[in-house]
Amino acid sequence: KNQVEQSPQSLIILEGKNCTLQCNYTVSPFSNLRWYKQDTGRGPVSLTIMTFSENTKSNGRYTATLDADTKQSSLHITASQLSDSASYICVVGVGPRESNYQLIWGAGTKLIIKP
Amino acid sequence: EAQVTQNPRYLITVTGKKLTVTCSQNMNHEYMSWYRQDPGLGLRQIYYSMNVEVTDKGDVPEGYKVSRKEKRNFPLILESPSPNQTSLYFCASRDGTLGPYNSPLHFGNGTRLTVT
Repeated sequence: KNQVEQSPQSLIILEGKNCTLQCNYTVSPFSNLRWYKQDTGRGPVSLTIMTFSENTKSNGRYTATLDADTKQSSLHITASQLSDSASYICVVGVGPRESNYQLIWGAGTKLIIKP
Repeated sequence: EAQVTQNPRYLITVTGKKLTVTCSQNMNHEYMSWYRQDPGLGLRQIYYSMNVEVTDKGDVPEGYKVSRKEKRNFPLILESPSPNQTSLYFCASRDGTLGPYNSPLHFGNGTRLTVT
């Protein structure tokens, strides 16, 4: 069964600190993995996408990693800011299937940054 | 501004009273989809549409209907809502020209539905 599991469920850190969120998946065949940020009361917004051949990708203070062998991804946030408080969702694409391109969504990690 | 607009943002209704949640996108996207989000669960797809007049079931279609008469609009219809449809609903669209592997979903800001 295709599954995406994220940990921790929730995390509280102080402003300025770093943190790492985890995403483990059992999806076959794997197409790609994307991280979304969901602010409270808003829809998810894409942060970054990882394909099979990519190990690391950065987007500002966000760095995503992918280990296709262990089927794990992480999202590292450097020097956290209050605006980083949000839920972070990992989603894996099942492919290749052009018709709908099935997505398997994780339940998300709720990150709270305290001043 | 490129966006997906859902209305209403909040809706409280009673069991059995038909309702429609509207969704409109101004990005000329071919692909549109509806999801529901429940605590502790990942987003679950209700219906999707690859283009005008083309719709298909997602993972949890029971109790819902959709239509795609125009490219920009994709309303979600609950003919006879029940309490188990209480949820947070999101409409999303995607640029079909870039291919599904390269295009992120663009989401609306959600509709919180409560059915009593």
